[in-house]
Amino acid sequence: DQQVKQNSPSLSVQEGRISILNCDYTNSMFDYFLWYKKYPAEGPTFLISISSIKDKNEDGRFTVFLNKSAKHLSLHIVPSQPGDSAVYFCAASALGRWGAQKLVFGQGTRLTINP
Amino acid sequence: EADIYQTPRYLVIGTGKKITLECSQTMGHDKMYWYQQDPGMELHLIHYSYGVNSTEKGDLSSESTVSRIRTEHFPLTLESARPSHTSQYLCASSVGTSIVPDTQYFGPGTRLTVL
Repeated sequence: DQQVKQNSPSLSVQEGRISILNCDYTNSMFDYFLWYKKYPAEGPTFLISISSIKDKNEDGRFTVFLNKSAKHLSLHIVPSQPGDSAVYFCAASALGRWGAQKLVFGQGTRLTINP
Repeated sequence: EADIYQTPRYLVIGTGKKITLECSQTMGHDKMYWYQQDPGMELHLIHYSYGVNSTEKGDLSSESTVSRIRTEHFPLTLESARPSHTSQYLCASSVGTSIVPDTQYFGPGTRLTVL
């Protein structure tokens, strides 16, 4: 049972335009959401996060939007740059016992920025 | 940004060999995690640790074992490697409070191939 879903396995965007990556979740207990960027043969790099008490968080070119009623979040990158080409993972967690946070990941979306 | 290291980066080994994947972090983080990722798939949590001498199994069943004798060190061991263990293994750590969610930071990963 996939609790976090990224339904688009790939996305191609023109350089300078906006990239929008989407993520849906099913577990209403999730209270913290993160986006990671991953290059081949490297570990994921943390990009941006959002707590369930917010609906938007912005950091430079990256903005994450959370719609709790729809159980949906999205990552906006604007303007998109060639260096943004990577696989993007959405992850969610629920604060559990002793602060344990087990991240649940989506399958990833491969973003390609075309010059 | 966390400093977290994994060795080796790549390992090709024959069936039946015992292997240990090393993971170290220099940030003094209490929480550490091991994830497994197959190509094009999501990351799955296989082990985590709250602190020294505490380890728990993750959501994905794994034949590997872990230990946490020192805060900074969280090695993963496979007693007898099999081709089904071929995957990328990613180590992560986080500060780990019991009040607010925190961010997990990942190492570069070990790409394991068992022949």
